[in-house]
Amino acid sequence: NAGVTQTPKFQVLKTGQSMTLQCAQDMNHEYMSWYRQDPGMGLRLIHYSVGAGITDQGEVPNGYNVSRSTTEDFPLRLLSAAPSQTSVYFCASRKGGQSYGYTFGSGTRLTVV
Amino acid sequence: GQQLNQSPQSMFIQEGEDVSMNCTSSSIFNTWLWYKQDPGEGPVLLIALYKAGELTSNGRLTAQFGITRKDSFLNISASIPSDVGIYFCAGPLTGFQKLVFGTGTRLLVSP
Repeated sequence: NAGVTQTPKFQVLKTGQSMTLQCAQDMNHEYMSWYRQDPGMGLRLIHYSVGAGITDQGEVPNGYNVSRSTTEDFPLRLLSAAPSQTSVYFCASRKGGQSYGYTFGSGTRLTVV
Repeated sequence: GQQLNQSPQSMFIQEGEDVSMNCTSSSIFNTWLWYKQDPGEGPVLLIALYKAGELTSNGRLTAQFGITRKDSFLNISASIPSDVGIYFCAGPLTGFQKLVFGTGTRLLVSP
């Protein structure tokens, strides 16, 4: 049982490049979310999903796309990277019906130059 | 959007001291969560509170759900170096489909 696995752990992109941050969970959790963490701003929700085939926007969705074709995977795509997207990205998941919060991955540190 | 304000922003204390931090919201929450983030890791859930006025402990940590439902408090007693990290409060939105997080309190503990 690996929990929430994020890859890669570190990534450097050039402005305008695209890439996909991977997130996988093996706990059969229905709910999955992507957050970004910037200094002094806490964690801000980018996109979330309540089940396979269902996604919705969070607080800061611009510049990011998601899809949820399986329960296990919830990739985050950066369409055209910008320096403002330099951040630490966290994926999280939760079992539907549970009220004690999400389990987080260990993060992907992204730098856009 | 929703905003949770945490104070203080950071604390630098001596080992053995007690610590208090709080989280306030402009809106009512029915659940409060407290997370800790170790350096280089994702947040880990410490305590969950489900009822106004509730006081819940987890070892040396004690959290309280404010009576107004617009605030919550976290206390750490007899701090140790491994308490170092960032502490976040969080509240659920839209039936727990998503969480909104506070801005965090960074704790540094001097041996």
